[in-house]
Parts: sequence; C-alpha cells; structure tokens
Amino acid sequence: EIVMTQSPVTLSVSPGERATLSCRASQSVGSYLAWYQQKPGQAPRLLIYGTSTRATGIPARFSGSGSGTEFTLTISSLQSEDFAVYYCQQYSNWPPAVTFGQGTKVEIK
Amino acid sequence: QLVESGGGLVQPGGSLRLSCAASGFTFNNYWMSWVRQTPGKGLEWVASIKHDGSEKYYVDSVKGRFTISRDFAKNFLYLQMNSLRAEDTAVYYCARDPNWFDPWGQGTLVTVSS
Repeated sequence: EIVMTQSPVTLSVSPGERATLSCRASQSVGSYLAWYQQKPGQAPRLLIYGTSTRATGIPARFSGSGSGTEFTLTISSLQSEDFAVYYCQQYSNWPPAVTFGQGTKVEIK
Repeated sequence: QLVESGGGLVQPGGSLRLSCAASGFTFNNYWMSWVRQTPGKGLEWVASIKHDGSEKYYVDSVKGRFTISRDFAKNFLYLQMNSLRAEDTAVYYCARDPNWFDPWGQGTLVTVSS
C-alpha cells in the first residue's frame, strides 16, 4: 500500500498570506495526485488532479506542483472561505486501490 | 449530483444497504465508488465498480463483507454491507470515478454499535 503523509497537521495563516501544504508518498506516484478541500459538515471537494490541473470552477489562487514522491498545494492569498481541511490522494496504483493523506487543517492565525 | 441514503444505527454483525442516486451526468459512462470517513482514520476508499459492472474492487478490510453494485436503468449505486463491525462506523460518500473523485454526495452516517 502506498502511504500518503501530509504536513503540517495544522497550518495557521493570516488572511491574504500564502499557504504551502505538503504531501509525501511512500513510493513514486508519478503525477497521479489529487487534492481536495473539506469544510465542516460538507463532503470533500476536488481542487486539483494530475498534480497541477485545477478542477472546474476552482480559483487560480490554488496551484499544485511536484512529482514522484513530493507534492505541494499552494494557496497564493488565503481568503476567508479557504480555511478548511485539505487532503491529498494518490491514484497511481489504481486498480486496485487509491489512498488518501491524513489531512492538513488550515486555520486562521 | 449524488444523493446517498440508507445509513443508520446497526448492531455489530448486522447488515445495511446504502443507496446513491445519480443525476446530471451519464451514469452508465463512469466508474463509481464509495469512500468513507472516520474521525480516527480520515478518508478511506472502500469500493469501486466499473461503468458496465464488469469489474469491482474493494479495500482489504471489507472484502467478503461488502458488495458494490449498480442499477443502470435507475441510475443508482449501492453498497450492501454485511457482518458489520464497530470499525465500519463512518460517514459513507458515493463519488464518481476512482481516479480522482468528483463529485461527491453529501454522505450518509453509518453507526455500528450495540
């Protein structure tokens, strides 16, 4: 099983600042990496797939980068609606399985 | 749009069937999946089914206990859960496509407890 490790667990950021979230895979996943945002009481929402392709309707302030085992989600200028939990997910060994990271909570500093 | 139903409280060893109604896209063209979320383990992929139903995959912890299926005529996805355990307690989401998941339903809570 490919284990996905996200860091930090919690990130405290002021509105307007940049946030950088990391995701590390236990083995190479190529570019088969997605990012999701989840707000309290809501389902996750796809932000990025294929490491760097924004999903439909996702603002340009969200960007993804990386390859192999190291990936980054950057939020260039945090808005109030961006405070949430963010998950990475690999799909390089589909089938038969995909795996998620444990999440990074972005909170207001 | 995806709308789940069928969650609830069930005793250990019991059964439950979750349903997911799909609309707004050509259901028969897509793989569909179930993903669950617990406070302790976060998000966990549970099962997926190919658009034509010919392939099904499960996480090891539910193999032999859960069965994923779909109704092409009604645009429904199902998850039959048998021999339920406390560790199956979670919010269960249906989602389109097992590569990246988009969209997701709102989730249905399954609680396994005596």
